[in-house]
Amino acid sequence: AQTVTQSQPEMSVQEAETVTLSCTYDTSESDYYLFWYKQPPSRQMILVIRQEAYKQQNATENRFSVNFQKAAKSFSLKISDSQLGDAAMYFCAYRDNAGNMLTFGGGTRLMVKP
Amino acid sequence: DAGVIQSPRHEVTEMGQEVTLRCKPISGHDYLFWYRQTMMRGLELLIYFNNNVPIDDSGMPEDRFSAKMPNASFSTLKIQPSEPRDSAVYFCASSLTGLPFDEQFFGPGTRLTVL
Repeated sequence: AQTVTQSQPEMSVQEAETVTLSCTYDTSESDYYLFWYKQPPSRQMILVIRQEAYKQQNATENRFSVNFQKAAKSFSLKISDSQLGDAAMYFCAYRDNAGNMLTFGGGTRLMVKP
Repeated sequence: DAGVIQSPRHEVTEMGQEVTLRCKPISGHDYLFWYRQTMMRGLELLIYFNNNVPIDDSGMPEDRFSAKMPNASFSTLKIQPSEPRDSAVYFCASSLTGLPFDEQFFGPGTRLTVL
């Protein structure tokens, strides 16, 4: 079974600075998809960014980018120019090519200091 | 579109009572998912539907849990009888297709407290 691990329960960053959230996963598949979701205090889960494992190029979405290291099974999220609105729980998730199930990591709480 | 709608947002009930959580997916989405979020177990998939048909219910914890999707715009998750360990936030999500890269859109969740 696939597992997703987020080793940082909490992180903090100064406003306008850059922060990187870590995620590792375990799978025997070669083709799969990875996601980062944001959960603000409102509880709504919002997709931040996604990556296809067969693509070597790292995905970027404005201030959000990933560092995907397939061999190391690592998928970190970098947030540049952090804003107060970035404060939230961030979840890394995995989905294989065959199934519909999203497997989530335990989450990282990000605090942004003004 | 209003997004995925869940009701109620909060539910407090006593042990042994029946609880029904409701979800309206985004119009046109063929897939609907029910997740549960707890501190101990994180986010876990309970069941999902494709075109109103349950496809995988292996995540449903016990027979006390049941889910239905009578039509494309409505689904329920029922717990009968409820127990304190069922206290959690329950999310409904929908997606346009079942393709693995397709985004799942989540509702705001229902926070269930069983006393």
